[in-house]
This record gives sequence, C-alpha cells and structure tokens, in this order.
Amino acid sequence: QKEVEQNSGPLSVPEGAIASLNCTYSDRGSQSFFWYRQYSGKSPELIMFIYSNGDKEDGRFTAQLNKASQYVSLLIRDSQPSDSATYLCAVNAGSGNTGKLIFGQGTTLQVKP
Amino acid sequence: NAGVTQTPKFQVLKTGQSMTLQCAQDMNHNSMYWYRQDPGMGLRLIYYSASEGTTDKGEVPNGYNVSRLNKREFSLRLESAAPSQTSVYFCASSQGRVQPQHFGDGTRLSIL
Repeated sequence: QKEVEQNSGPLSVPEGAIASLNCTYSDRGSQSFFWYRQYSGKSPELIMFIYSNGDKEDGRFTAQLNKASQYVSLLIRDSQPSDSATYLCAVNAGSGNTGKLIFGQGTTLQVKP
Repeated sequence: NAGVTQTPKFQVLKTGQSMTLQCAQDMNHNSMYWYRQDPGMGLRLIYYSASEGTTDKGEVPNGYNVSRLNKREFSLRLESAAPSQTSVYFCASSQGRVQPQHFGDGTRLSIL
C-alpha cells in the first residue's frame, strides 16, 4: 500500500514565526509533489507543487523535496493567523504518471496572534 | 472564471436511493477526478478520467460509477446509496496527469 504520512498536529506557532510542515512517502517512483491548504468546511486549495530535488520558493512559502530520503516539506515564513488551516501533502502514485494522487491526512496549523 | 463547479452542494438521501453528482470544469483540462473525504481518512480517489473517453478506478470505487460525458463534464453516480457513503465529495481537474489538480467546492452528502 502506497502511503503518505503527515503528523496530524496541531502544530502551533506564534505569529511571525516560521512554520515547518513535513511529509514522507513510500513510493520511490513518485515524481510530482503537491501541498494544499484546506480551511475548515472548504475545499483544498493548491499552495505549492514541486517536481525536482531542492527548494522552490513562492512568496512566503518554500517547498523542499528530497527524493533520496523520500520526504517533502513546506515552510511558511512570517506566519499569519490567516495561515491557520489544515495542510495536505499529496504525492502522485508513482510509475505510469497516471495522475492518481495519494493524500496524507493533513497537518493542522495554528498561528497564534 | 468558475473553475470547477459541482452540483448539488448538499444532499440528503435515504438508503437505497440513487443520485448523480455533477462536475464541470471550464479550464479546458484533460484530466478529471472524484474524491471523497472522511474524518480521519483524508482524501481518497474514487475514480478518475485521464482524458476524454477514458475512466479508471481509484482507491475506493465500490458502489460508484462514473461517466466522462465530454471534456468538460465528469459525473459520479451512486446506484444504491448506503450510509457508508456519507461523505464530502470533491471533483478536481488538471491539465495533465502530473500537473496540479484544482478542486471544486464539494458536495456534502448524507445518507440516512
């Protein structure tokens, strides 16, 4: 069974701090990695995607990928109360590039003013 | 620009009833997906359509059928609803198989 693991949290950080969210995956053939933000009662919203090893930055968000260690992380700089949400890690289901995504159960982030 | 539109937003069914959830996207995307989200279980893929004219099973296909009506529309049908199918259903679409998926607002379905 291909798996994506996240710490469910809650992860609590003060406003202005860096929030670090982590995700590990089991399928070494996975090639596409995504972070979604989901507010309570709402649909998942794409935050970042990354395909290559290393870092990818977009505003306050940085995605980091290490395929050798099979982990992907999301850093949120200058965290704001509006960042409080559940963050879902998603990984494509390996070989064949089917488009099938495996989601982790999500990490709840709380940013305290 | 509506993106991915799902109808209805809420529905209550009785056990054994049937219904179809509708999904349409206006982004000219090739691939479309149906997920369900349950507390403690995360998002799980029910069915997907990599391109117009093709459909394939995902992780939890039992009790569901799908139709890719055209490039824009992908419907999910429950033939005989069961309480275990109470969930929030999300439709998503993507330009290609490895590209980001964009989600609709969801359908909250309760089966009594």
